[in-house]
Parts: sequence; structure tokens; C-alpha cells
Amino acid sequence: SQTIHQWPATLVQPVGSPLSLECTVEGTSNPNLYWYRQAAGRGLQLLFYSVGIGQISSEVPQNLSASRPQDRQFILSSKKLLLSDSGFYLCASSGQGYSPLHFGNGTRLTVT
Amino acid sequence: KNEVEQSPQNLTAQEGEFITINCSYSVGISALHWLQQHPGGGIVSLFMLSSGKKKHGRLIATINIQEKHSSLHITASHPRDSAVYICAVRNSGGSNYKLTFGKGTLLTVNP
Repeated sequence: SQTIHQWPATLVQPVGSPLSLECTVEGTSNPNLYWYRQAAGRGLQLLFYSVGIGQISSEVPQNLSASRPQDRQFILSSKKLLLSDSGFYLCASSGQGYSPLHFGNGTRLTVT
Repeated sequence: KNEVEQSPQNLTAQEGEFITINCSYSVGISALHWLQQHPGGGIVSLFMLSSGKKKHGRLIATINIQEKHSSLHITASHPRDSAVYICAVRNSGGSNYKLTFGKGTLLTVNP
């Protein structure tokens, strides 16, 4: 079965510092990969999705970026964090069309 | 207007009660997902539906494609069912990699 590894689980970073969150997927190949953010008390907001290696689409303009260097690796980055980047970040994967969703355990990021 | 609307937003029940959470959507879909998010934040997929009804333990999910509506039922609710339940739809057609999420229903089951 499919498993998503996401780390770290929690992170406290100062404003202006860089960010790198990593997500790896086991048990499938060529998945669609997603980064979501959930602000406190809010729903899930799609940040980036990828349908293949090196293919990244951004949904929301921001100071974050994403990369997919390998088929089952998805990385969320920032060069300089803002206070507004605080939130709960979730990596997810799925196949095409009628396909189950799988989520990582999430990273709770606090920018101070 | 959000493409996926859930109701109620908050729901409090006593242990043993029958629970229903509703989800309405306005777009053509290839699949509808019911997700459960516990206070720690992790999300678990409960059901994936494209038609009819599915049952897993005390949980039942139904979908009516013509009416663009789905319901999640919990029979004999228990305090451990307390969580946020989220409906998500996968668009049909060219954008079927994208998911649209409802805002979630916070369920609290009291002992």
C-alpha cells in the first residue's frame, strides 16, 4: 500500500530564514503529488501540484517554491520565510482520475 | 460561492447517536472523497466514491450524482469519532488532477 513520509513534524523558524520540507512516497510510481497548507481554523489550500518529475504547477502566488527532483520526492522551499507562512503543511499523493488520496502526517510550521 | 459546501459546520452529539454530515458540490466530478482529520492534524482517507454507497464499520457514505450531493453517516457514534470531516471532489475532465475541498465539519461526540 502507499505510504507518504513527511518531515519534520514540527518546525519553528525565524522570519527571513530559509525553509525546506521534504515528502517521499512509497508503494506507487508516477503519482500526482500535492502540497497543501492549512492555516489555523481554515480549510486546505492547494499550493503546488506535480504530475511528473520536474513538472510543477503553482496555484497561489507566494514566496514558496516546490521541486520534484525524483518521481517520488516532492520538496517545498522558501528562501525567506514570512510570518504569514505559518501553518500546517500537508503533502498528498494520488493517481489519475478515480484514485485514492493519501496524506502525509503534516508539518506544523511556526514562523516567529 | 465555494464549489464544495458542507453542512453543518459544527456538530455536537451524545455517544450512541446517529450522525449525518452533508456535502454538496457544483462541478462535474470523477470522484468524491471523505476525509477525517484528527486534532493532531493528520488526515486519513475514509471513502472514495463515484456512485452509490459504501460502508466501512460504523461509517456509511452515499452519493447522488444527479443531485450532486453526498452524505457521510456514523452509526452508534463514539467519542473517538470526534474529528473534522472533510469532503473533497476531484474534477472530471482536463483538470482531474485537482481536488476541491469543503471547509470541513467539526464533530464532537460527548460521552
